[in-house]
Amino acid sequence: GENVEQHPSTLSVQEGDSAVIKCTYSDSASNYFPWYKQELGKRPQLIIDIRSNVGEKKDQRIAVTLNKTAKHFSLHITETQPEDSAVYFCAASILGYALNFGKGTSLLVTP
Amino acid sequence: SAVISQKPSRDICQRGTSLTIQCQVDSQVTMMFWYRQQPGQSLTLIATANQGSEATYESGFVIDKFPISRPNLTFSTLTVSNMSPEDSSIYLCSVGGLGDYGYTFGSGTRLTVV
Repeated sequence: GENVEQHPSTLSVQEGDSAVIKCTYSDSASNYFPWYKQELGKRPQLIIDIRSNVGEKKDQRIAVTLNKTAKHFSLHITETQPEDSAVYFCAASILGYALNFGKGTSLLVTP
Repeated sequence: SAVISQKPSRDICQRGTSLTIQCQVDSQVTMMFWYRQQPGQSLTLIATANQGSEATYESGFVIDKFPISRPNLTFSTLTVSNMSPEDSSIYLCSVGGLGDYGYTFGSGTRLTVV
């Protein structure tokens, strides 16, 4: 089955700096790669996703890149703000089937 | 995207008892997914529930412990049976992955077994 590795497990940045979280996946059949943000006590919220026919996608301060050959994808957050502090999860799946999650990255943005 | 109502939101249960968690979706979906999130951990898939057939369980999860019902295309239940403190977790249902929409999650059930 699919195995998703996520790094780093914790990340601390200064407000205004950029944050990058990286994930690798094992199943070349996976074609959908979402990123979720989870705040304490809340459900995961989708922040951005990318499909295998696209190499990069951007939404304001958030971007995701995908390298299908190397089987890795990354989340980039620019101009970080304290409210970006949360746990971020990457996932991979074949669309319509269950998501396989990475272990998560705890992001702390300090003022 | 679909909206999921999940209940209960939290419960404290005695060991040896069972709890049934319900998820109601506002649209018809073929597959529903049940996840467990242990404290400080990631989401782990318990099973995939298809309407009209038995759920498919992941390694480490068995039907006797986590029976699932899927009576129609908008509703599913997960029961946590014969609970022990190790079952204390957040349980989430999820749907999605079709069309232009991503996956969405229910609000979760925070279970504490004492």
